[in-house]
Amino acid sequence: AQSVTQPDIHITVSEGASLELRCNYSYGATPYLFWYVQSPGQGLQLLLKYFSGDTLVQGIKGFEAEFKRSQSSFNLRKPSVHWSDAAEYFCAVGTAGKLIFGQGTTLQVKP
Amino acid sequence: DAGVIQSPRHEVTEMGQEVTLRCKPISGHNSLFWYRQTMMRGLELLIYFNNNVPIDDSGMPEDRFSAKMPNASFSTLKIQPSEPRDSAVYFCASSLGGDGNTIYFGEGSWLTVV
Repeated sequence: AQSVTQPDIHITVSEGASLELRCNYSYGATPYLFWYVQSPGQGLQLLLKYFSGDTLVQGIKGFEAEFKRSQSSFNLRKPSVHWSDAAEYFCAVGTAGKLIFGQGTTLQVKP
Repeated sequence: DAGVIQSPRHEVTEMGQEVTLRCKPISGHNSLFWYRQTMMRGLELLIYFNNNVPIDDSGMPEDRFSAKMPNASFSTLKIQPSEPRDSAVYFCASSLGGDGNTIYFGEGSWLTVV
C-alpha cells in the first residue's frame, strides 16, 4: 500500500539557517510527489511537485526538493529560512488522482 | 481567479445536530476531494469525485457521513447526527483530474461539535 512518512514531527531552526525536511514514501511505481505548506488557520498551498526528469525540483518561496529513488525519499530544502516560513509542511504521494499525505512537520523559526 | 470556496468557515454545533459543509470547486476542474484534518489522524481523504461521480468513498468514516455532487460547481458533505469526535477541519479540494495534476485546497471548514 502507498504511504508517506515524515520522520520529524517538529523542527526548530534559527532564522537564516538552512533547512531540510525529510520525507520517505512507499509506492509500487514511479511516484508523483508533492510538498504542501499550511500556515495556521489556512488551507494547503503547493510548494513544488515531482513527476519525472530532473530529480532536483525548484518550487515557490525558495524551496527545492530532491527525489532519490534508491532511498525512496523526497526531502525538502531551503538554504536560508525566514521567520515567515514557520508553518506545517506536508509531503504527499499522488496515486489514482488523489493524494496520500504524511503526518506533517511543524517548523518553528527562532529569531 | 477564485480558488476553492468553502462555507461555512467556522461552525459550532451541538451533538446530534445535522451539519452541512459546502464547496465550490475551481471552475473547469473535474475532480473534487473532501479531506478531514485532525491532530490524531492528520489529513485523511474522505471521498473523491470525478465528473460528479463518487470514485472512492472508502475514507468516509460511517453512515453518518454523506457527500453529494449534484453538478460540477457544487458539493456538500453532510454529517447527521454529529458527534463530538467529528470535530475537525474539513477541506475541500479540486483538480483537473489524473495523476500529477495539482490539487488545490480551500481554506477549510472548522467544525466543533459540543
